[in-house]
Amino acid sequence: GENVEQHPSTLSVQEGDSAVIKCTYSDSASNYFPWYKQELGKRPQLIIDIRSNVGEKKDQRIAVTLNKTAKHFSLHITETQPEDSAVYFCAANNYGQNFVFGPGTRLSVLP
Amino acid sequence: EAGVAQSPRYKIIEKRQSVAFWCNPISGHATLYWYQQILGQGPKLLIQFQNNGVVDDSQLPKDRFSAERLKGVDSTLKIQPAKLEDSAVYLCASSPGRGGVGNEQFFGPGTRLTVL
Repeated sequence: GENVEQHPSTLSVQEGDSAVIKCTYSDSASNYFPWYKQELGKRPQLIIDIRSNVGEKKDQRIAVTLNKTAKHFSLHITETQPEDSAVYFCAANNYGQNFVFGPGTRLSVLP
Repeated sequence: EAGVAQSPRYKIIEKRQSVAFWCNPISGHATLYWYQQILGQGPKLLIQFQNNGVVDDSQLPKDRFSAERLKGVDSTLKIQPAKLEDSAVYLCASSPGRGGVGNEQFFGPGTRLTVL
């Protein structure tokens, strides 16, 4: 089955700097890769996703890149703000099959 | 539109007791998921329903966990008997269509289970 690894497990950046979180997956059939943000005690919320026929997607300060050959995808947050502090989860999915989440990255944006 | 509803929000039980969780997905959403999220870890899929049929339950501990989605709407997840390692947040999510490409999952607030 699918296995998703995520690095780093914790990340601290200064406000205004960029943050990058990387995930790798094992199943070459996976074709949908969402990123979720989870604040303490709250539910995961989708922040951006990418499909396997696209190499990059951007939404304001957030971007995701996908390298299907290497089977890895990354989340990029620019101009970080304190409200970006949360746990971020990547996930991989093969149409019709189960979602597998990574273990999470705790991002702290220091003022 | 109303979001995914779950109840109860919190539950404390003794080990070997039984517990049930309820989920009401967003109206019209065909796919429903139950996840277990242990503190400090990512959500782990327990079971996925497409309407009232099971799509994937490969990670559901079937000796103690069961789930149903009667009439393809509400769903219940049951644990009987509970073990200490079942302490976690149980998240329900729904998506408009078949799980996968282009289908965002909307999560409920979760039920925090503590097994003593």
